[in-house]
Amino acid sequence: EAGVTQSPTHLIKTRGQQATLRCSPISGHTSVYWYQQALGLGLQFLLWYDEGEERNRGNFPPRFSGRQFPNYSSELNVNALELEDSALYLCASSLARIDGYTFGSGTRLTVV
Amino acid sequence: QKEVEQNSGPLSVPEGAIASLNCTYSDRVSQSFFWYRQYSGKSPELIMSIYSNGDKEDGRFTAQLNKASQYVSLLIRDSQPSDSATYLCAVLLYNTDKLIFGTGTRLQVFP
Repeated sequence: EAGVTQSPTHLIKTRGQQATLRCSPISGHTSVYWYQQALGLGLQFLLWYDEGEERNRGNFPPRFSGRQFPNYSSELNVNALELEDSALYLCASSLARIDGYTFGSGTRLTVV
Repeated sequence: QKEVEQNSGPLSVPEGAIASLNCTYSDRVSQSFFWYRQYSGKSPELIMSIYSNGDKEDGRFTAQLNKASQYVSLLIRDSQPSDSATYLCAVLLYNTDKLIFGTGTRLQVFP
């Protein structure tokens, strides 16, 4: 069974640009979660999508947005990139929240 | 008060010893608790989940939950150098319906 896949592995962008990160959940999982892990900090909850709808979002500005497609894959968009957005972005999926999440290998975003 | 708190460490233990990792949480009605292991440069990996008060054992790992004290712990018996990693405590907060992570405890197991 394929795990959670994320692309690209690394992404380098210039301040002010937009970044698009992609995630494919484990087959059969309908929920996708996005987290940000900045250097030295813990995982910060960004967004939760389920059945194509945004169910919850963390304490991040509106320039962090995303969507979930009919096949349950998801995309995270970060507009007007700032240097502080440099971080590891992790996507996770689950069948039921009480079972915990399975994480992908992440996208390392560097803003210069 | 942070929603999930962990000592950042590092916690250093000799090979073969028991490593004890602790976590406290603020949401009294949380129901689901998880321990993740994260190697440097890698993504978190789920190693244990616990939902009821008491102990839950899985191989060398034992998770302990005390809801009255809002406390979760992870014991690693017969620690190995390969256990050296950051251990993240995560709590599914009932009031926000989000899985919230602590900042992690770095464990170092030396030969």
